[in-house]
Amino acid sequence: NAGVTQTPKFQVLKTGQSMTLQCAQDMNHEYMSWYRQDPGMGLRLIHYSVGAGITDQGEVPNGYNVSRSTTEDFPLRLLSAAPSQTSVYFCASRAGEKLFFGSGTQLSVL
Amino acid sequence: ILNVEQSPQSLHVQEGDSTNFTCSFPSSNFYALHWYRWETAKSPEALFVMTLNGDEKKKGRISATLNTKEGYSYLYIKGSQPEDSATYLCALVMRFGAGTRLTVKP
Repeated sequence: NAGVTQTPKFQVLKTGQSMTLQCAQDMNHEYMSWYRQDPGMGLRLIHYSVGAGITDQGEVPNGYNVSRSTTEDFPLRLLSAAPSQTSVYFCASRAGEKLFFGSGTQLSVL
Repeated sequence: ILNVEQSPQSLHVQEGDSTNFTCSFPSSNFYALHWYRWETAKSPEALFVMTLNGDEKKKGRISATLNTKEGYSYLYIKGSQPEDSATYLCALVMRFGAGTRLTVKP
């Protein structure tokens, strides 16, 4: 099992560019989620999905889109990157009450 | 809004010291509280899931208690070691506190 795999690990974007952060898990977990981590603010939930075809907004969804076409994949899209989206992004899947995190993507928007 | 508060924000202790920190949350509609350990440059790793008032969990030198009636959980580390240096996060219903950053000096 690879667990939760995130790509890329690092990315630099210019304001206005778009990109997709990839997240895949091979544990057959129904629940997947995206968080961003900013200094002094812990982890904040962006979007989550309770199964293929179902997504919902978390605490800070603005500027991000998600889709869940398969159980394995849960990509996060930035349609028009802004400097305020500079952060470290974590994808997680859940089994029961336990969250499994990916290794994170460090994103800088200039 | 579900506010999860952690204190202190950071903590510096000497190797061998015992330490504890707090996670506070609204006591109404409690379901489960999670503690995570997050080392720099790694992913958060689950420590404990606590569901019942009075719960006490232990993993090696780390233990946690839960009081759902008053809305707090304590995490204790006995005889801190440098490898315990990490950020400790608590979470309720996928809402995380800001964490307590522990540094253990040799």
